[in-house]
Amino acid sequence: GNSVTQMEGPVTLSEEAFLTINCTYTATGYPSLFWYVQYPGEGLQLLLKATKADDKGSNKGFEATYRKETTSFHLEKGSVQVSDSAVYFCALTVYGNNRLAFGKGNQVVVIP
Amino acid sequence: DTAVSQTPKYLVTQMGNDKSIKCEQNLGHDTMYWYKQDSKKFLKIMFSYNNKELIINETVPNRFSPKSPDKAHLNLHINSLELGDSAVYFCASSAQTAMNTEAFFGQGTRLTVV
Repeated sequence: GNSVTQMEGPVTLSEEAFLTINCTYTATGYPSLFWYVQYPGEGLQLLLKATKADDKGSNKGFEATYRKETTSFHLEKGSVQVSDSAVYFCALTVYGNNRLAFGKGNQVVVIP
Repeated sequence: DTAVSQTPKYLVTQMGNDKSIKCEQNLGHDTMYWYKQDSKKFLKIMFSYNNKELIINETVPNRFSPKSPDKAHLNLHINSLELGDSAVYFCASSAQTAMNTEAFFGQGTRLTVV
C-alpha cells in the first residue's frame, strides 16, 4: 500500500534557525509528493509539491526534493520565522488511487 | 471566492443527536473527500466520491452517511453522535488528472460532542 512516515515529535527552534523535517514514503506506482501546512485554527494548505523524481518543489522559502533512490521528500527552510509555526504534513498520491496518504504531521514551533 | 467551503465551522451538540456538515467546491473538481483529524492532528480519510459516486469508504461506522447531490457538493450526516466523534472534519476536492492530483481543503468543522 501507500504510506508516508514523518519523523516523530514536535520541532522547536529559534527564529532564523535551519529547519528540516524528514519524510519517507512507500508507494505502488509513481507517486506525486506534497507538503501541506496547517496554521493554528485553519485548514490545510498546499505548501509545495513534486510530481516526478528529482523535481524540487519550493514555496515561501521552503524546499523539498523528490528522491526516488531514497524514497524521501524532506522539507527544508534556511531561516525560519515565528510565522512559520504550524503543523506540517507530508503526503502522497498515486494517480487513479483517489486519495491522499498523509504522514502524522510535525508541529513546528519557532521561538523569537 | 472560497474554493472549498464547509459549514458550520464549529458544532457543539449532545450525545445521541443527529447532525450534518455541508461542503461545496467551486473548482470544477470531480473528486471530493471527507477526512477526520483527531486531537493528535492525525488525518484519516473517511470517504471519497468521484462524479457523485462513492469510491472510498474507510471502515467508518454506518452512523456516518455521506451524500453527494452533485459534483460540487458532498455533505456528511452523522446519526446518534458519540463522544468519540469529537474531532475536526475536513472536506477536500481534487481533479484526478495525472499531474494535478493535489487536494484543496476546506477550513474544517470542529465537532464537539458533550
